[in-house]
Amino acid sequence: QKEVEQDPGPLSVPEGAIVSLNCTYSNSAFQYFMWYRQYSRKGPELLMYTYSSGNKEDGRFTAQVDKSSKYISLFIRDSQPSDSATYLCAMSDTGNTPLVFGKGTRLSVIA
Amino acid sequence: NAGVTQTPKFQVLKTGQSMTLQCAQDMNHNSMYWYRQDPGMGLRLIYYSASEGTTDKGEVPNGYNVSRLNKREFSLRLESAAPSQTSVYFCASTRSHGGTEAFFGQGTRLTVV
Repeated sequence: QKEVEQDPGPLSVPEGAIVSLNCTYSNSAFQYFMWYRQYSRKGPELLMYTYSSGNKEDGRFTAQVDKSSKYISLFIRDSQPSDSATYLCAMSDTGNTPLVFGKGTRLSVIA
Repeated sequence: NAGVTQTPKFQVLKTGQSMTLQCAQDMNHNSMYWYRQDPGMGLRLIYYSASEGTTDKGEVPNGYNVSRLNKREFSLRLESAAPSQTSVYFCASTRSHGGTEAFFGQGTRLTVV
């Protein structure tokens, strides 16, 4: 079993929909949880990060972490065509090891 | 503000040829990484350098070597390219090892025929 599991999709939604992206993980030592966004033919860019459990909101984006279930989510409200990209979750423990990435979920928002 | 710069952006190699992928960052970051990205496989870590003067193997190091030339530059070398090394290669850097914000380059698309 990979340390981080992420459904690769693809996921296609109409403009304005609420999108839910998820990752599960097996390493209970992970403390930092991140979401990266990668547009086609570009490098990934950090979208949001959360420390330990809880929620974090940034505009239309909300990141949730449930450490008891080893489950993290990214919600996108009022999705836009410009949100079409691949979303990768990433995790880190205490900072002494490289980030561990999920495989990424490809999202298309259709106008 | 260049961030992380990779060269070249595209390359076609014949099986058995060698080449070096260059990466430079201008953010004074301590840690640098090389990943490969393949369809359905996600980002896989090849090698990393936690700090200047150190390098370590990642998940898929076979067939590759690296050099941390100085704090800014981290190169990846393919000594004898194989078709299985056809991929998109990304260099990344973080302020410290395991840092939450990794900055990525634009990628190098390598095809080995």
